[in-house]
Amino acid sequence: AQSVDQPDAHVTLYEGASLELRCSYSYSAAPYLFWYVQYPGQSLQFLLKYITGDAVVKGTKGFEAEFRKSNSSFNLKKSPAHWSDSAKYFCALDYGGSGNKLIFGTGTLLSVKP
Amino acid sequence: AQTIHQWPVAEIKAVGSPLSLGCTIKGKSSPNLYWYWQATGGTLQQLFYSITVGQVESVVQLNLSASRPKDDQFILSTEKLLLSHSGFYLCAWSDWGHYAEQFFGPGTRLTVL
Repeated sequence: AQSVDQPDAHVTLYEGASLELRCSYSYSAAPYLFWYVQYPGQSLQFLLKYITGDAVVKGTKGFEAEFRKSNSSFNLKKSPAHWSDSAKYFCALDYGGSGNKLIFGTGTLLSVKP
Repeated sequence: AQTIHQWPVAEIKAVGSPLSLGCTIKGKSSPNLYWYWQATGGTLQQLFYSITVGQVESVVQLNLSASRPKDDQFILSTEKLLLSHSGFYLCAWSDWGHYAEQFFGPGTRLTVL
């Protein structure tokens, strides 16, 4: 069965550091992967997606993610981090084959200290 | 620009009572529509999706049902609430087509007592 794993429940770093949030997936077909962000008390916002093509995809708010088929990962990166990046980040996998069925990871709560 | 509105903003309901949550998308014709549930501090669970009026696919039911009575409207309901229904309900839309990103509404906070 398909699954998404975000192994780090919490990540804390200082402003100016580089951030990398981990995401791995398990899926028997070609993966279509997404990152979303949820700021405190708010709904989700789309950051970026990998469908096909270049392994590094760029998104909004200065984020990018690298798809690695070799280890089934899709890690989110940003450098430098800003205190306003503090939020919960969710990785998601489309498993329906048409973009209509998403499974989300448990999320990583990022705290960026000024 | 497209806007997505959910109602009510928050609800406090008794166990066993009925529930109806709504979602409306403006500025977008024939969107794909989705319902999600999020436990407090938890991950998102997709509940339903719809690609056209009158057609709803269930992903996980959780004793809930959904309907799409109009192109721009998506309704989530149940006849009898359970304590486990408490949480944050999010509606989302996407463009028609493969692997389009989803855009989420502000959500409805439901507390079942």
